Amino acid sequence: GQNIDQPTEMTATEGAIVQINCTYQTSGFNGLFWYQQHAGEAPTFLSYNVLDGLEEKGRFSSFLSRSKGYSYLLLKELQMKDSASYLCAVGVYSNSGYALNFGKGTSLLVTP
Amino acid sequence: DVKVTQSSRYLVKRTGEKVFLECVQDMDHENMFWYRQDPGLGLRLIYFSYDVKMKEKGDIPEGYSVSREKKERFSLILESASTNQTSMYLCASSLSMYRDKGYTFGSGTRLTVV
Repeated sequence: GQNIDQPTEMTATEGAIVQINCTYQTSGFNGLFWYQQHAGEAPTFLSYNVLDGLEEKGRFSSFLSRSKGYSYLLLKELQMKDSASYLCAVGVYSNSGYALNFGKGTSLLVTP
Repeated sequence: DVKVTQSSRYLVKRTGEKVFLECVQDMDHENMFWYRQDPGLGLRLIYFSYDVKMKEKGDIPEGYSVSREKKERFSLILESASTNQTSMYLCASSLSMYRDKGYTFGSGTRLTVV
């Protein structure tokens, strides 16, 4: 089975840095994804990690440790528009094929 | 950019009706997926498909079926709608060779069953 945990809610201040953690227990692991979803909109792809380490993409970075079943998304220089839900998803191979399993999402509120 | 289009943004249906949710993608993606999203439960995989006429059950297929007669179109069918199927339904597609690109999602269909 799959178990993906991330905090339900976080609050941070504009201009600050925030780290959103994700832990997972899964079989057939093949990649860790982060998505951003604004209220009432579709999720949009942010990052992908398949090897251990840090991937940096502008203000957003994502880290993966496969041995610990752990990832985080780091958002720097927070802006008001970063208020959204952030979804951690694990890519999994099964007998049926390859699909993403999502955590329940972390709702981030950025305050002035 | 890949575009994934879901035919309806909002739907209201009656209990017992047969409901069709349509999804079309325009970039020749092999893989297509249907999820539902509920508060406190996140996105849950209903069905997915890797090719025309192929389908695989996800985590919560009960009460649903799918159809993929053409590569670009993946339909989700609620055989007899029930109130517990009131939800946001999200379709997604991906190109299997480039997993690192993730999924592209449609805008979602918010279905209310009364």
